[in-house]
Amino acid sequence: GAVVSQHPSWVICKSGTSVKIECRSLDFQATTMFWYRQFPKQSLMLMATSNEGSKATYEQGVEKDKFLINHASLTLSTLTVTSAHPEDSSFYICSASGTGEGTYNEQFFGPGTRLTVL
Amino acid sequence: AQSVAQPEDQVNVAEGNPLTVKCTYSVSGNPYLFWYVQYPNRGLQFLLKYITGDNLVKGSYGFEAEFNKSQTSFHLKKPSALVSDSALYFCAVRDQAGTALIFGKGTTLSVSS
Repeated sequence: GAVVSQHPSWVICKSGTSVKIECRSLDFQATTMFWYRQFPKQSLMLMATSNEGSKATYEQGVEKDKFLINHASLTLSTLTVTSAHPEDSSFYICSASGTGEGTYNEQFFGPGTRLTVL
Repeated sequence: AQSVAQPEDQVNVAEGNPLTVKCTYSVSGNPYLFWYVQYPNRGLQFLLKYITGDNLVKGSYGFEAEFNKSQTSFHLKKPSALVSDSALYFCAVRDQAGTALIFGKGTTLSVSS
């Protein structure tokens, strides 16, 4: 099946620093990637949708200057949390869809990245 | 706008008994429906999906779900629960391929031995 990885799986940083999270599709071309945020014991909230080579589309209420998303290739999307603050601490999950058979109708999820900002 | 409702925050079941986790949805077009399970501090694991075809969908780990168009429901079921089924379950929907999934709030399933 299609596999999506995330790196790092866990990161702790100081307030004011920036953190980059990578999302990779390992065995298929991900034309579309999605970034979600999940608070403890809550649902996944869609942050943004990115198509390869295009600017990301952000959901209402998500600061595009704070959460920078780059989808420069068909296998890699990055989320950079700029000037992170404690309220940005969360579980960030990416997912990916492709255009090929078996990847078009589904989203394949990464294992998530736990961000803790001190 | 699409939406998903999971009316129960928690479902408690004894091991060996059947379980049902409820989900209702609202979409403007034909629904693409999914169930995922999440264990603590882990990502989502795909259980099953309904795109088209038979209303009864069978998925991983013995789970199944029935698509009911008239009731706009997609309840998750399992004939005999296991303690290891205890986890957080999410129902999700979208109205066309290639768009983002919209998730319900999640239901915590607790199976007691």
